[in-house]
Order: sequence, then C-alpha cells, then structure tokens
Amino acid sequence: EAGVTQFPSHSVIEKGQTVTLRCDPISGHDNLYWYRRVMGKEIKFLLHFVKESKQDESGMPNNRFLAERTGGTYSTLKVQPAELEDSGVYFCASSGRAVHNEQFFGPGTRLTVL
Amino acid sequence: AQKITQTQPGMFVQEKEAVTLDCTYDTSDPSYGLFWYKQPSSGEMIFLIYQGSYDQQNATEGRYSLNFQKARKSANLVISASQLGDSAMYFCAMREARNTDKLIFGTGTRLQVFP
Repeated sequence: EAGVTQFPSHSVIEKGQTVTLRCDPISGHDNLYWYRRVMGKEIKFLLHFVKESKQDESGMPNNRFLAERTGGTYSTLKVQPAELEDSGVYFCASSGRAVHNEQFFGPGTRLTVL
Repeated sequence: AQKITQTQPGMFVQEKEAVTLDCTYDTSDPSYGLFWYKQPSSGEMIFLIYQGSYDQQNATEGRYSLNFQKARKSANLVISASQLGDSAMYFCAMREARNTDKLIFGTGTRLQVFP
C-alpha cells in the first residue's frame, strides 16, 4: 500500500511569489492534516479535512494560506503571496481506521522563501 | 495550555544498549493519547507507539516501550537493544479528545547510535 506522498519535495521561491504544495493521502483515508515545522521549532498543526470538508483550520496562520481538498482525495496548500517567515517543512498526514487512529505522515515539502 | 516538552535536543547511545527519550506533557483534558514518531533522514515520520490516558499498562511494540507515569505527566520512550538504524529524530506528540484530532508536538530529540 502506498504511503502519503507530497509534491514537490523542495521548493525555493522569492518573497511575494505563489507556491502550491500537494498531498496525496493513503487511499481510503478520510482524514487529512497539514502541519508545518519552522526552523528548529516544534511541528505545528495547520488544519484538518474530513473528506472534502474543513473540520478544523484553527492553525492556519493567516489568509495568505489556502487549503483545498478536491473530492475528498488529494489536497493542495497554496501560499500567496509567500513571506520569509513561511519557510519551513510542510507535512501532510492522513488517518483512516487504524487501531489508535494514528496519523501517517508524508516526507514533507521543504519550502524556502528568499 | 496543552504542551509537549522534550528536554533532550540530542542523545547518544552505543549499539545494543538501551536508551530513554524524555517527554513530559501538560493538559487539562482527562482523555488524551500520546504518540511517538521517528523521523529518519529521509524525512518521513514513522509512527512507533501509542499510549492512551486510560490504559492501565505501559505500551510496548517490539523494542519500543513507553514508560507512562500519569501523575508526573511523563511518557518516556525506551528503546532497547539500540541499532544503527535507530539514529533519527524522535518526536513525542499528544492528542486531546476534546481538540479534534490534531497532534501537538514537542521539539524532538535527535538520537545517534554509534558502534
């Protein structure tokens, strides 16, 4: 079974540009999460989808961030316009019917804003 | 406020020895779950072990065990018989029952296993 995949693995953009990150969850997982780790700090929750609906977006930092999940499958996270403080590693996770409802993480997208 | 603290930024252990990675947490929710994840250099975070707040026994999964001390609000990960492949970042995380499904993470501990 394929794990959570994320694209791209790395992205380097200039301040003011737009970047879109993509996440493909494990097939059949209704729950999809986005997290972010900024330079040496803890990993922080951004938002949670259940199928195509946003269940919790309390962690989204501001309105420059827009997350979508088309048809309850893959998800995109768009940052527009990007700022220097947006640099970090963006993780996607999904969960389904595991015993402890544990979340399975992708390898992350490393975003660098110059 | 809910919080996870990992006070060891880095740890070293010799192959075949046991090592304990510390994790303390803070929550007012009586129902919560604690998770440990491993992040090797490849970047993907791998789920290792889970402990529920109402579980009577400490969780174990192969060489991993969780030393759960509820009164002290600690959930230390014990890795027995360390292997070179255990070298990685280790994150402790908490999920509160009242707080949807989001995980709250600590800053992580980098473990290095040497021969």
